[in-house]
Amino acid sequence: EDQVTQSPEALRLQEGESSSLNCSYTVSGLRGLFWYRQDPGKGPEFLFTLYSAGEEKEKERLKATLTKKESFLHITAPKPEDSATYLCAVQAVSRGYNKLIFGAGTRLAVHP
Amino acid sequence: GAGVSQSPSNKVTEKGKDVELRCDPISGHTALYWYRQSLGQGLEFLIYFQGNSAPDKSGLPSDRFSAERTGGSVSTLTIQRTQQEDSAVYLCASSFGMQETQYFGPGTRLLVL
Repeated sequence: EDQVTQSPEALRLQEGESSSLNCSYTVSGLRGLFWYRQDPGKGPEFLFTLYSAGEEKEKERLKATLTKKESFLHITAPKPEDSATYLCAVQAVSRGYNKLIFGAGTRLAVHP
Repeated sequence: GAGVSQSPSNKVTEKGKDVELRCDPISGHTALYWYRQSLGQGLEFLIYFQGNSAPDKSGLPSDRFSAERTGGSVSTLTIQRTQQEDSAVYLCASSFGMQETQYFGPGTRLLVL
């Protein structure tokens, strides 16, 4: 069964303290892996798409990487405004290309 | 340009009533998706539209749930005879094509009393 697992469930960082969020997946035929950010009371906001192992994408303090079994979202020198829930999702061939299978998310809190 | 919009933003209803949730996708996006996000749980796929047809309804939890899309644009998700377990945030997303990145709306927060 296709599955996406994110860890940790929650992460508390001090401003400037770099860390990484993990997304591990088991899926038959990965078509793409997506990272979204969700603020309280809002819909998910698209961050990155990764398609193949070894691929990396960067945006400001965030960098996403992909292997054959997992993806990492690295946060460098985070600021309080980076506080949010970060969601990982996969789009798999076995399920058709159309739907995303989401992990439960990592709640990140960055304190000044 | 304008993003995905959803209405209402919040809906409180009594058990047993019917509700309709609306989604306006990004202009030009042919694919439209509905997801549900329950408290403390991940996003759960409900239904997918390509144009006006719904080739994938596999995620609808029961026959009380239905959705339609008209003119290849606006979609309505209808929940009949609502139950308390239907309380959740209902999210709509659209994409340029079936395999493209999905962009989400702000969601409708449904509370069934």
